[in-house]
Amino acid sequence: ETGVTQTPRHLVMGMTNKKSLKCEQHLGHNAMYWYKQSAKKPLELMFVYSLEERVENNSVPSRFSPECPNSSHLFLHLHTLQPEDSALYLCASSQDRVGNEQYFGPGTRLTVT
Amino acid sequence: LAKTTQPISMDSYEGQEVNITCSHNNIATNDYITWYQQFPSQGPRFIIQGYKTKVTNEVASLFIPADRKSSTLSLPRVSLSDTAVYYCLVGPRNAGNNRKLIWGLGTSLAVNP
Repeated sequence: ETGVTQTPRHLVMGMTNKKSLKCEQHLGHNAMYWYKQSAKKPLELMFVYSLEERVENNSVPSRFSPECPNSSHLFLHLHTLQPEDSALYLCASSQDRVGNEQYFGPGTRLTVT
Repeated sequence: LAKTTQPISMDSYEGQEVNITCSHNNIATNDYITWYQQFPSQGPRFIIQGYKTKVTNEVASLFIPADRKSSTLSLPRVSLSDTAVYYCLVGPRNAGNNRKLIWGLGTSLAVNP
């Protein structure tokens, strides 16, 4: 498989659940990103990993916990989310943190009930 | 931080040339201008990037005036498949730069038969 893949594509969870989003890139990139996309809002950068080290955390609530075990995989662990966390969560990758040339996955549509 | 402003929506017809303008009055000296395209249920896809004057590739042209406070994405002879949301992004390319990437709200382009 090529490009950036994300699983699951859709997720419905209650506020007390714990779930994880998975991202995998097959492009040989060394930087990966998590974004949140809500309706009528700009794309929000959540986390940046470069060479498996977290280099950016943009004031994201602790109920979102990222994990990057290697340069090809990125996870976003979710727990005790709020309804306002419902959004499309996008993963992206790039080479050498050239931030403007990113390759995005299809996203996970998350609904918190 | 460089903020971008673009029209919320545009309408066009097949075969026409479409020009989408983005304003970025606070663009920094080392910022590049990048445009992405996003279809429903997909992540954004890189279209074109430039720093000044004009850049052209197989899908679009990017015009940037001397003061760089705005830019225009030009799509020649659009087709129905060009119906999508187009995002203007202003930010640095250099790794290690701590300035955040600023995404616009996007322009929803509808191409009609």
